[in-house]
Amino acid sequence: IAGITQAPTSQILAAGRRMTLRCTQDMRHNAMYWYRQDLGLGLRLIHYSNTAGTTGKGEVPDGYSVSRANTDDFPLTLASAVPSQTSVYFCASSDGDANTGELFFGEGSRLTVL
Amino acid sequence: GQNIDQPTEMTATEGAIVQINCTYQTSGFNGLFWYQQHAGEAPTFLSYNVLDGLEEKGRFSSFLSRSKGYSYLLLKELQMKDSASYLCAVMDSNYQLIWGAGTKLIIKP
Repeated sequence: IAGITQAPTSQILAAGRRMTLRCTQDMRHNAMYWYRQDLGLGLRLIHYSNTAGTTGKGEVPDGYSVSRANTDDFPLTLASAVPSQTSVYFCASSDGDANTGELFFGEGSRLTVL
Repeated sequence: GQNIDQPTEMTATEGAIVQINCTYQTSGFNGLFWYQQHAGEAPTFLSYNVLDGLEEKGRFSSFLSRSKGYSYLLLKELQMKDSASYLCAVMDSNYQLIWGAGTKLIIKP
C-alpha cells in the first residue's frame, strides 16, 4: 500500500542520547516535512525538503537535523535529546504543488525523553 | 505574528449538524486547509479553499471569507466516527502552512 512509513512508532530515550527517526515514502513526492505535535499547540514545522538534495529550516529547527539523500527517505536526527523534545513527530510529503498543498502524513513517532 | 484560532472543543449529537469556526491572521494567504485527525492517528486532508465561498464534499462543506479572515467547516448528519480533532491550516505568502491547535469534536448518541 502506497504511503509514508515512520519508524519507530514509539520510543523512550534517555536525555543526551542520539536518536534518528526514519521516514520513507513510496509516492515519489518531491517535498517532505517533519512536524512535531504537542498538546494545545498546532503542528510545528521542524525541517523540510522541497526536493532530493535540499533541506530547509522550519519554525522549530534547533536540536534537530535532517538529510535528503534520495527522493524516498527523510530521516530526522536528534543529536543530543532533551526532555523538551518529548512529542509526537509526524513525517509528511506532498507532490510539491504549492497551490494545493495537500499533505500525506505518516502514522507518527511518539518520543519520550527522560 | 501569525495566528490561527479555533475552539478547543465542541460537542454535538449524532445525526445533527455542527459548524467549526477558524479565524486567521497571516502574512499573506495562499489557501486554507482542513484536516481530520482521529486520536492517536495521522491527520488526513479534508478540504482546500482559496477563493471565497462554499466548497461541498459529501457530508462535509468548507466556507471561506478572505476579507474577514474566516473559515468554517460544516459537518452534516453527524456519525460517531466523526469524533476527531479538526485542524485548520493557512498557507502564507511563503507557501508555509500555519496550523491551528485543532478543535476536538465529541459526538454523543
